[in-house]
Amino acid sequence: DIQMTQSPSSVSASVGDTVTITCRASQDISSWLAWHQQKPGKAPKLLIYSASSLQSGVPSRFSGSGSGTEFTLTISSLQPEDFATYYCQQAHSFPLTFGGGTKVEIK
Amino acid sequence: EVQLVESGGGLIQPGGSLRLSCSASGLNVSYNYMTWVRQPPGKGLGWVSVIYSGGSTNYADSVKGRFTISRDISKNTLYLHMNSLRADDTAVYYCASPDSSGYLGYWGQGTLVTVSS
Repeated sequence: DIQMTQSPSSVSASVGDTVTITCRASQDISSWLAWHQQKPGKAPKLLIYSASSLQSGVPSRFSGSGSGTEFTLTISSLQPEDFATYYCQQAHSFPLTFGGGTKVEIK
Repeated sequence: EVQLVESGGGLIQPGGSLRLSCSASGLNVSYNYMTWVRQPPGKGLGWVSVIYSGGSTNYADSVKGRFTISRDISKNTLYLHMNSLRADDTAVYYCASPDSSGYLGYWGQGTLVTVSS
């Protein structure tokens, strides 16, 4: 199975800050990576697919980069509605695997 | 508009059985793969099972031999049959499907399964 390691597990930030989350795969997954946002009590929501493609309707302050084993999600100019937990997920092969999550909290 | 609506969760004793349903509208459950993902309270996401368009299936090691994924094309509904339930199966269970991106863009609202005596 492909292991996905996310860091940090939590980050405190203020509105307007830039936040960067890193995800590392245990083997080369090319660009088969997604980022999901989850708010308390809600289902995950797809933000980024194919490592860097923005899902329709997602604000452009979200961006993704990377390939192979190292990936990054960047949230520029953090907004109040962005405080949530973010998960990376590899789509290279089954079993699908997720990172442990990064909780973005208000400073 | 695509909607996935899960049902069937609840409180069940260890060793018991439960069947979850995921009713789909706006997509055909046999057109692409359909998957179940679960989330224990306060924890992260974990993949459970998949049924491919051709009907073949796959399971996480933790549920293999206890859970069965199936679908009813006439009802456009996905199922997860869960047997020999354990406390560590307690979680919110989501059904999910790829959207036009090919990634998990469609999620249901989730149904809570609590395994406890």
